[in-house]
Amino acid sequence: QKEVEQDPGPLSVPEGAIVSLNCTYSNSAFQYFMWYRQYSRKGPELLMYTYSSGNKEDGRFTAQVDKSSKYISLFIRDSQPSDSATYLCAMRESSGTYKYIFGTGTRLKVLA
Amino acid sequence: SQTIHQWPATLVQPVGSPLSLECTVEGTSNPNLYWYRQAAGRGLQLLFYSVGIGQISSEVPQNLSASRPQDRQFILSSKKLLLSDSGFYLCAWSKIATYEQYFGPGTRLTVT
Repeated sequence: QKEVEQDPGPLSVPEGAIVSLNCTYSNSAFQYFMWYRQYSRKGPELLMYTYSSGNKEDGRFTAQVDKSSKYISLFIRDSQPSDSATYLCAMRESSGTYKYIFGTGTRLKVLA
Repeated sequence: SQTIHQWPATLVQPVGSPLSLECTVEGTSNPNLYWYRQAAGRGLQLLFYSVGIGQISSEVPQNLSASRPQDRQFILSSKKLLLSDSGFYLCAWSKIATYEQYFGPGTRLTVT
């Protein structure tokens, strides 16, 4: 079993839709959770960063962490064609390691 | 603000040739530095990380090596490239206190 599981997609939605992207994980020691957006042939861009459980909102983006279920989500409201990209989740423990564990990414297509 | 640079952006090298990829970070001190490789359609593979000058931890021994000659400089090298070394190489740095990780623009390497 992988430490982090992420549906590869592709996920196609119409412009204006609410998008839900998810990752599940197995390591209960993960404390820091991140979402990245990666356009084709570019480096990943940090979108959202969350420590421990709870929600965090930034503009059209909301990140949720449910540590009891080992499940994290990224919601995109009013999706735009420019949101078409691959979204990667990442997480790490608070101590004892310098490593980040990444999901394989979900490819999102927002159709105009 | 912090900026991370990578060069070259694109590289085509013959099998058996040497490799040197460079990464520099501006606007921060004593960052943790990382080299990842991303193969087409696959996740991020951690190659090396460094917590200080001259301190390198290897995750994938193979024929690659890394060095950190200065606080904000990270170099990825190979003496003889293999076809399997082709991929998208990403340098990243992370904040010590909050563990947010930021990526550079990447180097696309094709070994022919």
